[in-house]
Amino acid sequence: GQQLNQSPQSMFIQEGEDVSMNCTSSSIFNTWLWYKQDPGEGPVLLIALYKAGELTSNGRLTAQFGITRKDSFLNISASIPSDVGIYFCAGQLRGSARQLTFGSGTQLTVLP
Amino acid sequence: DAGVIQSPRHEVTEMGQEVTLRCKPISGHNSLFWYRQTMMRGLELLIYFNNNVPIDDSGMPEDRFSAKMPNASFSTLKIQPSEPRDSAVYFCASSFYAGVDTGELFFGEGSRLTVL
Repeated sequence: GQQLNQSPQSMFIQEGEDVSMNCTSSSIFNTWLWYKQDPGEGPVLLIALYKAGELTSNGRLTAQFGITRKDSFLNISASIPSDVGIYFCAGQLRGSARQLTFGSGTQLTVLP
Repeated sequence: DAGVIQSPRHEVTEMGQEVTLRCKPISGHNSLFWYRQTMMRGLELLIYFNNNVPIDDSGMPEDRFSAKMPNASFSTLKIQPSEPRDSAVYFCASSFYAGVDTGELFFGEGSRLTVL
């Protein structure tokens, strides 16, 4: 079953606003990743984090790997219409070899 | 460059029929993953291969599901017999693994399966 708690489940925001979403777990993860899925497509990697405390940016996206290794957040600044989609956190549990566990997703809607 | 190619994109079948989903990974990638996505359970790993060898199939729901990778450029996921609860989007993903796992997977567009 799911071991990642992702929130919020959905968000409706105005174009230009900033967005924040996060994932938490009771387990320790070695790697945190954030993927985006557009309708009718497969998920695409946005940001990967490999060290506790790491803060990484990719354009308007910023993500952090929590110090405790049990959480991560993703921020999107100055949202635009093409940011619409489902955002998934994913992690590799310590000792789980190559398996990725995915969160349940955050559905983002950007209103003009 | 061609990404991961899956076929068919959509399949509608009747309960009890055999279903075969196909995947061509990105050339040069040596790992291949099959995921299933449903509203209720999200994205679930079914099985993954490394260098054409199945490494972990613990996510395969039951004996009705089987996966093969006869060569580096082709994999199949077969469901026989299919049931309505198998309805989902099935994704194939590939990556290149050389001892250090980045976690980056390249997903195909998925095969949407509906079992009536």
